[in-house]
Parts: sequence; C-alpha cells; structure tokens
Amino acid sequence: AQSVAQPEDQVNVAEGNPLTVKCTYSVSGNPYLFWYVQYPNRGLQFLLKYITGDNLVKGSYGFEAEFNKSQTSFHLKKPSALVSDSALYFCAVRDYSGAGSYQLTFGKGTKLSVIP
Amino acid sequence: GEEVAQTPKHLVRGEGQKAKLYCAPIKGHSYVFWYQQVLKNEFKFLISFQNENVFDETGMPKERFSAKCLPNSPCSLEIQATKLEDSAVYFCASSLHLKRGQETQYFGPGTRLLVL
Repeated sequence: AQSVAQPEDQVNVAEGNPLTVKCTYSVSGNPYLFWYVQYPNRGLQFLLKYITGDNLVKGSYGFEAEFNKSQTSFHLKKPSALVSDSALYFCAVRDYSGAGSYQLTFGKGTKLSVIP
Repeated sequence: GEEVAQTPKHLVRGEGQKAKLYCAPIKGHSYVFWYQQVLKNEFKFLISFQNENVFDETGMPKERFSAKCLPNSPCSLEIQATKLEDSAVYFCASSLHLKRGQETQYFGPGTRLLVL
C-alpha cells in the first residue's frame, strides 16, 4: 500500500522569506511524486512532479521540490514567498509500477499562509 | 478542450434523492479518475476508466455509486439514494496515459455535493 504524510497542518511564513512544505511517502516500488495546489473553492492545480532523473525538480510559479530517496521525502520549496502563494498544498504519490493501482494517494494537505 | 470540465459546480439533494455529476476530460486523454474530497481535505479514490472501460473500481461504494464513460459523451458519476455522508467535493481528473511522461493527472474544478 502507498501512503503520504504531510506532518504540518499549517505553515506560516513572512512574505519574501523562503518556504518549505514537508512531505514523506511510502510505496512498495519506485515512486512518482506530485505536488498540487488548491485555492479556495477551486480545483487542484498541478505544480510539479518527480518521475526520474535529477532530484531537484522545478515547477510552476517558482516552486521546486527535492526528492530524497533515503529519507523518502519530497519537500516543496520556494526561495521567496508571495502573499498569493497562500493556499492548500497537497503532496501525492503513485507507485511507478502501478502495483495495485494507478490512482494517486494524497496527503492530508498543508495550509500555507504567507503574511504580508 | 484543454481543461477538465465538470458540471454542475454545486448540487444540493435531499437524502434519498439521486445525484448525477459530469466530467469532460481533456481532449485526447485516455484515462479518467474520480476522487471524493471529504471533510478535513481527505481524498478518496473512487474509480478510473481507460477510455470507456472501467480500469479500477476498487474505491467505489458499489451499492449506490455507479459511473460511466461513453464514447462522445461526458463521463458521469451517479449516486442513487444519496446519504448525508455523500456530501463532499467530487473531482474528476484525466491523464494522457499511465506511462512515464504521460502520467500527470489534471483535475477539474470539482462538483460540490450537499446532501440535506
């Protein structure tokens, strides 16, 4: 079975400061990892993914994430937070082999608040 | 289209009534997924399709839930005899394929179902 943990329900950061939203995962095989963002009353928007290759992946809106296999982590980062980054962030995983299913398993989400 | 479309945006039903939700995947995408987002932001996978064929239905409450993806029609998710606990946001997602490089799931804006 696959699972995702987002240990922080909420992260507060001052505008202009770097931000990190944490994610750890568990899969039986190799992972496909994703970050999505959800604005209030909106759907999920795809931010970035790790499939293979370089451990540091870059995505939309200046976000990046680092895949760490030994720590089974995929933390989302941004060097300088904007107020408009305030939203709900979800980490998701899928087993590369599709063992069991090709569905995404999501974490419970982290609410990011960027304070002006 | 270039985005996943879902209708209606909001749906209110009395307990015991039927609810039907629609999803138009991105043109050319072969896979459709349905997820249910309940209180506290938890996502639950319901069902997936490969074109018009059910691919994985392990998440479906089979007694009251059914889904279809017919050629040249939006996909649909139907709930017979809704219950209070069916109140949730239902998201549809589509992906080009399942294999590496084509696996990203793009989400629609969701349908918010309220059962009274």
